[in-house]
Amino acid sequence: GEDVEQSLFLSVREGDSSVINCTYTDSSSTYLYWYKQEPGAGLQLLTYIFSNMDMKQDQRLTVLLNKKDKHLSLRIADTQTGDSAIYFCAGPIMNSGYSTLTFGKGTMLLVSP
Amino acid sequence: EAGVTQSPTHLIKTRGQQATLRCSPISGHTSVYWYQQALGLGLQFLLWYDEGEERNRGNFPPRFSGRQFPNYSSELNVNALELEDSALYLCASSPRYRGFLDEQFFGPGTRLTVL
Repeated sequence: GEDVEQSLFLSVREGDSSVINCTYTDSSSTYLYWYKQEPGAGLQLLTYIFSNMDMKQDQRLTVLLNKKDKHLSLRIADTQTGDSAIYFCAGPIMNSGYSTLTFGKGTMLLVSP
Repeated sequence: EAGVTQSPTHLIKTRGQQATLRCSPISGHTSVYWYQQALGLGLQFLLWYDEGEERNRGNFPPRFSGRQFPNYSSELNVNALELEDSALYLCASSPRYRGFLDEQFFGPGTRLTVL
């Protein structure tokens, strides 16, 4: 399977919570990241979590990390139409002696009014 | 502070031609990464340069190459273009490699279309 896997699509109504899930394979990952890509734009770092943390909260964003299951999730509270974008989780994977940031295929979040 | 810049914004080439894409990192950053974002494939790691040296490359054929200049800007060259090279090419920069991956800051990308 892929090193980092995500569900591809999520549709929610404005005001609801969104939960985007990700699984990864490399147990040595030190940081795990969530990036956001709006249409026609590059990637913007949303938040990250250290591998020794279980949870991190940053305003409307909550990141949960289950190291045992190698599962990462991003919860967006009170989702707004401006949150519509593609969300990527990413983590370092060892490749030829160096860590390379490996991305999931991205989850497209569609927020309807 | 200026972010990562890439040029050109769009590039249209025909099969067999060569494409050159450019990236300027954030001031003070010495690491530059290149990614390919093709439709349906997510981000695929292409190349990583740090302080002028190629540190790592992804699973791409040798016709994808690049270099990093003394001012840490970088070029990505794609030779013998194929239709499936059509994608958004993203550049990212980070501070000098210190044994672990730092946060990467992304540019807006170059959209390459191969006809």
